[in-house]
Amino acid sequence: NAGVMQNPRHLVRRRGQEARLRCSPMKGHSHVYWYRQLPEEGLKFMVYLQKENIIDESGMPKERFSAEFPKEGPSILRIQQVVRGDSAAYFCASSPSPRGSGYEQYFGPGTRLTVT
Amino acid sequence: AQKITQTQPGMFVQEKEAVTLDCTYDTSDPSYGLFWYKQPSSGEMIFLIYQGSYDQQNATEGRYSLNFQKARKSANLVISASQLGDSAMYFCAMKPMDTGRRALTFGSGTRLQVQP
Repeated sequence: NAGVMQNPRHLVRRRGQEARLRCSPMKGHSHVYWYRQLPEEGLKFMVYLQKENIIDESGMPKERFSAEFPKEGPSILRIQQVVRGDSAAYFCASSPSPRGSGYEQYFGPGTRLTVT
Repeated sequence: AQKITQTQPGMFVQEKEAVTLDCTYDTSDPSYGLFWYKQPSSGEMIFLIYQGSYDQQNATEGRYSLNFQKARKSANLVISASQLGDSAMYFCAMKPMDTGRRALTFGSGTRLQVQP
């Protein structure tokens, strides 16, 4: 049973370019969470999605960031016009049920975004 | 709002000794869960242990135990018989239960180094 998959594992973008980060949840999981980890810091919640719905985007920056989880295919975190401050590790987690406790958030390996 | 505080940026421990990593929290939610994750240098987030706020007994998972003191709002992680492979960042996290909010709130982490 494959775990949460994220790709790419490493992404380098120049300032002003777009970054697309993909997350495939564990089989049978329909809830996806995105977190961002700045260097030497803990993870910060960004957005929680179910299939075709954004449930909680309270941690998402208002501009340049968007997320989707279509009916078919992976969840995508999109960052437009990247700036150096977007350089971070972006983690995706998935869970199997609406009332899952935290340990049921299974984390992917993360995508390390570097903006040059 | 929830807040996690980890006051030890770094800790050293001798191999085979026990070590306690501190975590205090603040929340207004009556029901919540507390978690510890390990992040080795490879970067993935590994779930270690979970404690529910209404659990009567402290959680244990192998060499990991959670010293939960509800009145003090602390949830310290105890690692017994440290091994070299325990060297990593350790994050304390929490989330409310019985609500629509699913996001984990993380502390800033403690870097543990196990010395031979």
